[in-house]
Amino acid sequence: SQQGEEDPQALSIQEGENATMNCSYKTSINNLQWYRQNSGRGLVHLILIRSNEREKHSGRLRVTLDTSKKSSSLLITASRAADTASYFCATDEDYKLSFGAGTTVTVRA
Amino acid sequence: NAGVTQTPKFQVLKTGQSMTLQCAQDMNHEYMSWYRQDPGMGLRLIHYSVGAGITDQGEVPNGYNVSRSTTEDFPLRLLSAAPSQTSVYFCASSQTGLHQPQHFGDGTRLSIL
Repeated sequence: SQQGEEDPQALSIQEGENATMNCSYKTSINNLQWYRQNSGRGLVHLILIRSNEREKHSGRLRVTLDTSKKSSSLLITASRAADTASYFCATDEDYKLSFGAGTTVTVRA
Repeated sequence: NAGVTQTPKFQVLKTGQSMTLQCAQDMNHEYMSWYRQDPGMGLRLIHYSVGAGITDQGEVPNGYNVSRSTTEDFPLRLLSAAPSQTSVYFCASSQTGLHQPQHFGDGTRLSIL
């Protein structure tokens, strides 16, 4: 079962534009993590946000968390071709991290 | 600084064959885990280990065995390969557990004919 569900499934934007993707989850969490996966590679950790945090930044990435709505968003500002990848949210659920199916982002030059 | 290393990168097996997927990390991480990634389903946890000598089942453990004799290595064994085990397998590690950033290998792409 997937705890986290990303939306949209796919996103195509022009270089320089912002990209926003959302993650919804079902049960209470301790933290939520976002990962990036380039084609044919493993997942790379981007940001971890704890349940008592509302917003976190890392470079061009901004993550928000709304525990009352059980949702999180990842914003990538001023996108670049290198941002083309799949993005996954992951929530801690008992003994495991539960990953969604991901949002595939394509940045057009 | 190698991080998490998985071998082989690609493998084709026949139904019924067995094999071991290797995973090694050089970061002295206690927590290691195996996931499989199938299209449209995200990653699903197969087995995990919180330290040498300790392993436990994940979400989809059937058909797989693991062992953790050292901190560095966490091999995954397919006992009798089935077409349903065709997938991409990822090994991950973190300092102490799932509440920390996970470091992933680049995966093993496995096809069962």
